[in-house]
Amino acid sequence: GAGVSQSPRYKVAKRGQDVALRCDPISGHVSLFWYQQALGQGPEFLTYFQNEAQLDKSGLPSDRFFAERPEGSVSTLKIQRTQQEDSAVYLCASSLWSSGNTIYFGEGSWLTVV
Amino acid sequence: DAKTTQPPSMDCAEGRAANLPCNHSTISGNEYVYWYRQIHSQGPQYIIHGLKNNETNEMASLIITEDRKSSTLILPHATLRDTAVYYCIVSGQMDYKLSFGAGTTVTVRA
Repeated sequence: GAGVSQSPRYKVAKRGQDVALRCDPISGHVSLFWYQQALGQGPEFLTYFQNEAQLDKSGLPSDRFFAERPEGSVSTLKIQRTQQEDSAVYLCASSLWSSGNTIYFGEGSWLTVV
Repeated sequence: DAKTTQPPSMDCAEGRAANLPCNHSTISGNEYVYWYRQIHSQGPQYIIHGLKNNETNEMASLIITEDRKSSTLILPHATLRDTAVYYCIVSGQMDYKLSFGAGTTVTVRA
């Protein structure tokens, strides 16, 4: 498709389980972002990639969160030993260039930790 | 990044213009005003952005005051599908992070 694609769309994980969320950005987009959105709040920045390089991971809440983009296209956000507070929508976004803020978001992966 | 202030919610009538205000009194000279919206269960969608001139596209118009301390997003003919949370964001051209805040929940009523 032409947009940012995320999978799975919905994920229910038991507390302590590891999860992996996938993002397929728009083809050719240099920049890729992950955001976390808790219920009733605006999205919060997690991490930023320029091609395969992770240039900013300052928003990752803990060392249980890990993101990668090994070939500069598809990205995976991994959460180890999930906790209830990890329940949120995880949004992936991409943009054509490395700066500027016309960013295209996917529909998100809804994670519920039980 | 400069902070923005938006009303938490507003209603508007279908077919009428919706005027969404945003205050950004601490905006810097090189910072742009961006508007995104988020329809329920979807990711945020870019609407429009501007520096100091008024801007218009197929979705909306953006009016920025001369002192750049506030702006208004105008949806010229609101439809039910425009019901969403609207975020006003101030960001520099070289910035890559977006600070969304709480936004304005706009409800378009028939």
